[in-house]
Amino acid sequence: DTAVSQTPKYLVTQMGNDKSIKCEQNLGHDTMYWYKQDSKKFLKIMFSYNNKELIINETVPNRFSPKSPDKAHLNLHINSLELGDSAVYFCASSQEPGDYQPQHFGDGTRLSIL
Amino acid sequence: AQTVTQSQPEMSVQEAETVTLSCTYDTSESDYYLFWYKQPPSRQMILVIRQEAYKQQNATENRFSVNFQKAAKSFSLKISDSQLGDAAMYFCAYRSARNNFGNEKLTFGTGTRLTIIP
Repeated sequence: DTAVSQTPKYLVTQMGNDKSIKCEQNLGHDTMYWYKQDSKKFLKIMFSYNNKELIINETVPNRFSPKSPDKAHLNLHINSLELGDSAVYFCASSQEPGDYQPQHFGDGTRLSIL
Repeated sequence: AQTVTQSQPEMSVQEAETVTLSCTYDTSESDYYLFWYKQPPSRQMILVIRQEAYKQQNATENRFSVNFQKAAKSFSLKISDSQLGDAAMYFCAYRSARNNFGNEKLTFGTGTRLTIIP
């Protein structure tokens, strides 16, 4: 059973479109994250949610809107896609706060903007 | 803000040999966690090993071990008996141990691409 699953795995679309990436975790964690990995492989936090509430918003353009309908799901909606949005987006989850547990990552979604 | 530096963009090692990947970090905190993640071509992010800063003993996981030098803010990964399956990007990451929301994010280094030579 996949612990953190993202869909789709690949997304190819044109500039200006709106797209969503979905993430679900079955680990019972209450904190979920979105990270962006750029073309040079650099990974950076975008958002974190705890029990459906936004905790971290790391100066991401407001074209990116995360939504957490429940603590097991964290979706990422992107409006008016730009060329610079091409990247791999990783969802992750962990149990917070408390004694530290590692973050578990999904397999990533490769977003390509034409 | 914390920063993590991996000064080796690429490394290669002969199969069955030992290789060490470097990582340094900058923080003003005294308590934190450090990690090594592996990203093979399949793109998955796999936790290799972790170290709590308050522990003096270096963490080990089978063929993987770390050399944690707190004063020097250094956290290197040693891979012994390298195998073809170890070929991947390796990322060093930092996380604050402060137990309140907003500190749980991972700060990553830029990665080291490890090639295993058969």
